Amino acid sequence: DADVTQTPRNRITKTGKRIMLECSQTKGHDRMYWYRQDPGLGLRLIYYSFDVKDINKGEISDGYSVSRQAQAKFSLSLESAIPNQTALYFCATSDPTGTNYGYTFGSGTRLTVV
Amino acid sequence: DAKTTQPTSMDCAEGRAANLPCNHSTISGNEYVYWYRQIHSQGPQYIIHGLKNNETNEMASLIITEDRKSSTLILPHATLRDTAVYYCIVRVASGGSYIPTFGRGTSLIVHP
Repeated sequence: DADVTQTPRNRITKTGKRIMLECSQTKGHDRMYWYRQDPGLGLRLIYYSFDVKDINKGEISDGYSVSRQAQAKFSLSLESAIPNQTALYFCATSDPTGTNYGYTFGSGTRLTVV
Repeated sequence: DAKTTQPTSMDCAEGRAANLPCNHSTISGNEYVYWYRQIHSQGPQYIIHGLKNNETNEMASLIITEDRKSSTLILPHATLRDTAVYYCIVRVASGGSYIPTFGRGTSLIVHP
């Protein structure tokens, strides 16, 4: 099993619908992140969480919300999806006290809003 | 927070060494240089990191200049599967709240 699992892998949804992207990890890391990637661009941070009780906005949090249900689970919600939220979404984890191996990413969720 | 500058794209012949440069002139003394790569639309993958000394692992080598203002990732014998976007990131090694930024990276194309 992958260290960081994202579900679904692909999703097509309609404008105005609420959608949740889920992320779970088996690495035991406290820190989790959601990034968005648009074609030809780097990754932009949406939200991050340093532990279960900690939630922080990233550079592009408008239109998104998150929930950290447990150390291992971090969900991203689009309350009312719009077409310009069509993108590739990545979840990642990190361990600041570990071996400096940085981030571990999931395989991504490709979201299309029509 | 130190920022990085990388060329937008590079190409390399299969079997040859690929040398990917990165400038990080504002790096501070306790910041490490990390390299990741993203193959097609997969999640970025850790490659290597370093502080001062040159580093080598099974994937690549990292050469950091003595003044630490720049570094070079070396793929010694590039293969077609090394075609990817390579990101150079500077961050504090542990603790703190610094969140590194993944810019556009360098798109490396390895051709036959």
